Amino acid sequence: NAGVTQTPKFRVLKTGQSMTLLCAQDMNHEYMYWYRQDPGMGLRLIHYSVGEGTTAKGEVPDGYNVSRLKKQNFLLGLESAAPSQTSVYFCASSQLYTGGWLTDTQYFGPGTRLTVL
Amino acid sequence: KQEVTQIPAALSVPEGENLVLNCSFTDSAIYNLQWFRQDPGKGLTSLLLIQSSQREQTSGRLNASLDKSSGRSTLYIAASQPGDSATYLCAVTGNQFYFGTGTSLTVIP
Repeated sequence: NAGVTQTPKFRVLKTGQSMTLLCAQDMNHEYMYWYRQDPGMGLRLIHYSVGEGTTAKGEVPDGYNVSRLKKQNFLLGLESAAPSQTSVYFCASSQLYTGGWLTDTQYFGPGTRLTVL
Repeated sequence: KQEVTQIPAALSVPEGENLVLNCSFTDSAIYNLQWFRQDPGKGLTSLLLIQSSQREQTSGRLNASLDKSSGRSTLYIAASQPGDSATYLCAVTGNQFYFGTGTSLTVIP
């Protein structure tokens, strides 16, 4: 199993450009997540999905959109990139989510380093 | 809002030393607490998961404890090795994960 993969690994954008980050998992997990990691701020949840065709906002959703058309894929889009979106983006997936509580670990991808100039 | 703090932010120790990493959280209504390891340029790997009803978990040279009432967890690493050098993050879970900012550990040969 490849686990969780992310495409691309690195990207440089100019302010105002758009792009899509792709996350794929081959573990048949229901739940998928997008985080951003910034120095001194830890990981913050952007959006998440509890199943195919569903999405929900996390802690810092502004400026991002997501889609989960297939169970194994979770896409993160930036419609008009801003320098404040320079960050490392991590995708994760998990299996168990019981009664509104996460009961299992999350499996993380290797990350995408995005720079917006 | 849950806030998770890790102290110290960075730690450097000689090989062979035992060490303790600290994690504190503000809301004791958690389901479980996890410790992750992150190597430079890589994603996170789960090390230990402690359910809220448990007091500790052990895996090899690692031991994690949880005191939910005081909002604290510790990760104990015995006989540290250079390969343990990484950033260690704790995360508490309720309806989502809340991560600490991590402790960067360097083990000097």
